[in-house]
Amino acid sequence: GNSVTQMEGPVTLSEEAFLTINCTYTATGYPSLFWYVQYPGEGLQLLLKATKADDKGSNKGFEATYRKETTSFHLEKGSVQVSDSAVYFCALSTAAGNKLTFGGGTRVLVKP
Amino acid sequence: NAGVTQTPKFRILKIGQSMTLQCTQDMNHNYMYWYRQDPGMGLKLIYYSVGAGITDKGEVPNGYNVSRSTTEDFPLRLELAAPSQTSVYFCASSYSSPQGRGEQYFGPGTRLTVT
Repeated sequence: GNSVTQMEGPVTLSEEAFLTINCTYTATGYPSLFWYVQYPGEGLQLLLKATKADDKGSNKGFEATYRKETTSFHLEKGSVQVSDSAVYFCALSTAAGNKLTFGGGTRVLVKP
Repeated sequence: NAGVTQTPKFRILKIGQSMTLQCTQDMNHNYMYWYRQDPGMGLKLIYYSVGAGITDKGEVPNGYNVSRSTTEDFPLRLELAAPSQTSVYFCASSYSSPQGRGEQYFGPGTRLTVT
């Protein structure tokens, strides 16, 4: 079956620090990969995605590269802001029903 | 364009009561989903639908029922509420076609407490 493993949080950083959240996956077939963000009290929003090997998804200064050889999709941001404090979810989907399989989420707290 | 809307936002149920969580999308998406999110955990799929009149079980369907009579609406029914169903429930929708799969759009969630 499909599964997603991401690093446990919370991750606490100072403003302008570098952020990395590791994500690895196992999947049957060729998945699409996603990072979703959940701000306090809100639903999930798509942050970025990649649909094939070596694709780089990017948005709002965040980046992640689809690495088929290491089955990874690590999220990075070079300089975080307080407004980036949220829970980040790595997820994958395969063709069957376009269903998402989520990792457990990583809470990020950025302090001024 | 409202996207995915869910009602109610909050609800407290007593053990054994029933309720329906409403979900509506206005994006003409063919696929719709229900997830639950337990504290500190990721989301788990309860049920999903690939179109009106078609539903299927996800990872954690026990204790829930769904129906999909229209493209827009996908209500989730809890028949006999149990404390284990205390959670935040998210509805989502997406399009999917032979040409590709779209991202899922999520509603704001319903926080349910069963006591």
